[in-house]
Amino acid sequence: AQTVTQSQPEMSVQEAETVTLSCTYDTSESDYYLFWYKQPPSRQMILVIRQEAYKQQNATENRFSVNFQKAAKSFSLKISDSQLGDAAMYFCASQINFGNEKLTFGTGTRLTIIP
Amino acid sequence: NAGVTQTPKFRILKIGQSMTLQCAQDMNHNYMYWYRQDPGMGLKLIYYSVGAGITDKGEVPNGYNVSRSTTEDFPLRLELAAPSQTSVYFCASSFGQGGQPQHFGDGTRLSIL
Repeated sequence: AQTVTQSQPEMSVQEAETVTLSCTYDTSESDYYLFWYKQPPSRQMILVIRQEAYKQQNATENRFSVNFQKAAKSFSLKISDSQLGDAAMYFCASQINFGNEKLTFGTGTRLTIIP
Repeated sequence: NAGVTQTPKFRILKIGQSMTLQCAQDMNHNYMYWYRQDPGMGLKLIYYSVGAGITDKGEVPNGYNVSRSTTEDFPLRLELAAPSQTSVYFCASSFGQGGQPQHFGDGTRLSIL
């Protein structure tokens, strides 16, 4: 069974500063993917970033980057130059490359941006 | 492209009523999913489908049914609504294996009173 843990229910950051959201996961599989999804108040689920477990290089998407520590099963999200539009719930999720490919989600971190 | 379209966006049901949540995608995705999101929680898988005519249960299937007669549509049926089914429901789709990202609809907020 897959589990994803987000230990920070809420985080806040000053606008233009950098914030890191934590995520740990557990899996016995070797072929898997990790994701961060953003859920703004509009309720949409928006893909932020995707990491392939077999790649050592950390994924980056503009101001968003991850710190993927495979041995520690850690997958944190760093948001640089935080903007008001970054305020949202952020969900970490894992996906096994087999079978139904379902996503296993953490409980989320609510990020507040302080102007 | 519309992506994944869910209807309705909001609905209030009485206990014991039934309804169907509609989901349609126009991306020719093989895989489709139904998740529910309870307050303060992540999404949990209800049912999924890997192609037309093929469906299977996820983690929390009790009280729900699905069908997949076409590639585009994946409706979710609640037969006897119960208060425990009050939740936000998301439909998602993807091309399939290989860590393909799932594309989500805007969700349906369902309240059972």
